[in-house]
Amino acid sequence: AQRVTQPEKLLSVFKGAPVELKCNYSYSGSPELFWYVQYSRQRLQLLLRHISRESIKGFTADLNKGETSFHLKKPFAQEEDSAMYYCALSLQGGSEKLVFGKGTKLTVNP
Amino acid sequence: DTGVSQDPRHKITKRGQNVTFRCDPISEHNRLYWYRQTLGQGPEFLTYFQNEAQLEKSRLLSDRFSAERPKGSFSTLEIQRTEQGDSAMYLCASSFGQAWKFYGYTFGSGTRLTVV
Repeated sequence: AQRVTQPEKLLSVFKGAPVELKCNYSYSGSPELFWYVQYSRQRLQLLLRHISRESIKGFTADLNKGETSFHLKKPFAQEEDSAMYYCALSLQGGSEKLVFGKGTKLTVNP
Repeated sequence: DTGVSQDPRHKITKRGQNVTFRCDPISEHNRLYWYRQTLGQGPEFLTYFQNEAQLEKSRLLSDRFSAERPKGSFSTLEIQRTEQGDSAMYLCASSFGQAWKFYGYTFGSGTRLTVV
């Protein structure tokens, strides 16, 4: 079965420190992976997707098929990065379903 | 257009009662999705519509759950004979075609259901 694992429920770093939010997936097909973010009192929104290989708000994520991982990284965390982060997997075959991980709450301390 | 709207924001109901939630997507979006999120979990897919057709349903959607999108615009999600395990945040999202793969879903604020 398809599964997305985010091993850290909570992650706390200091401003300016590097941050890495881990995501591992289990899927036999060719995955499309996404990171969604939910800031306090805001709606869930897309942060970035692996197919575009872009950097958004200083965050990057590389798909590692060998390790089945899609970790989210930022070299210098900012207080405004504090939020709930969800890794999500899209399935092949025309399914519109997204499989989400349980999420990691990131807190960036001043 | 103020984005995806969900109504009500909160609903408290007694076990065994029926509840109905409404979602108004962005007007030009032809795809509409329902997800459920329980405490400490990520969103779980329930169902999705392309226009008025319900094209995919999760096994999570038991016989007590029914969703409609009669005119391809707003959608309703009804839960019959509610159980305490139905307590969750019900999220609606919309997208135009497969643009969600590039721009993500547009999510609503959700309806929080509490079954007492």
